[in-house]
Amino acid sequence: NAGVTQTPKFRVLKTGQSMTLLCAQDMNHEYMYWYRQDPGMGLRLIHYSVGEGTTAKGEVPDGYNVSRLKKQNFLLGLESAAPSQTSVYFCASSQFSGRTISYEQYFGPGTRLTVT
Amino acid sequence: EDKVVQSPLSLVVHEGDTVTLNCSYEVTNFRSLLWYKQEKKAPTFLFMLTSSGIEKKSGRLSSILDKKELFSILNITATQTGDSAIYLCAVEAATGANSKLTFGKGITLSVRP
Repeated sequence: NAGVTQTPKFRVLKTGQSMTLLCAQDMNHEYMYWYRQDPGMGLRLIHYSVGEGTTAKGEVPDGYNVSRLKKQNFLLGLESAAPSQTSVYFCASSQFSGRTISYEQYFGPGTRLTVT
Repeated sequence: EDKVVQSPLSLVVHEGDTVTLNCSYEVTNFRSLLWYKQEKKAPTFLFMLTSSGIEKKSGRLSSILDKKELFSILNITATQTGDSAIYLCAVEAATGANSKLTFGKGITLSVRP
C-alpha cells in the first residue's frame, strides 16, 4: 500500500495563476481532508469529503475549491492564486466513522506551494 | 467555534529528561482526542483517546484524557534526540457520521544530547 500520496511535492506559482493539487489514497477510506499548515498556525482544515461525490467547507475554505469524483481521489483547486496561499498543504484520509466509532487520519507527505 | 490550545508552544530539554505536553479544548460534539508527531513531513499518529482516566501507553510515551476538565497530557519519559519533533493535538467533533478534526498549533520539542 502506498497509503496517501500527493502530487506535486513542490510548486511555485505567480499571483493569479491556477493549479490543482491531487491527493490519492489506496486504503478504501471514505473520508478525505485537505489542510494547510503555516508557521505558528498548526493545521487548518480547508475542505473535506465524507464520501464520493460529496464535499464540505472547513475552517478556511475561501479561495479554494475541491472535487471528489472518485472515492480514491480528492482534488484541491486554486483558481487564482494569491501570496496568502503560500503554505504547505496536507491531504489526509480516514475510514468511515459511523456514529460511535473514531478512526485516526492518515496524512500524505505534503505539497509545498509558493505564490509570488 | 471549536478551539484547541496546546502548551507550551516550545521547549528544549536534555536527553533523559521527562516532558509533559498539554492540550486543552473547547469543542461541540466531542468524540475523541488525538495526538500526532510531526518530524520533517507528514504527521504520524500516536494516540486516540475517547474515555476519561484511561492511560494509553506506547513505549516511553503515554497519554491520558480528562473529559470533565477538557484537557489531555502527553508524557515522554527518558527523552531521546529522536523525540525532537512538533507534537500536534487534535480534537474530533462529530455529528452523526460527519467527523472532522480541529488541531492545536503544536508544541515544538527539542531534545539536546
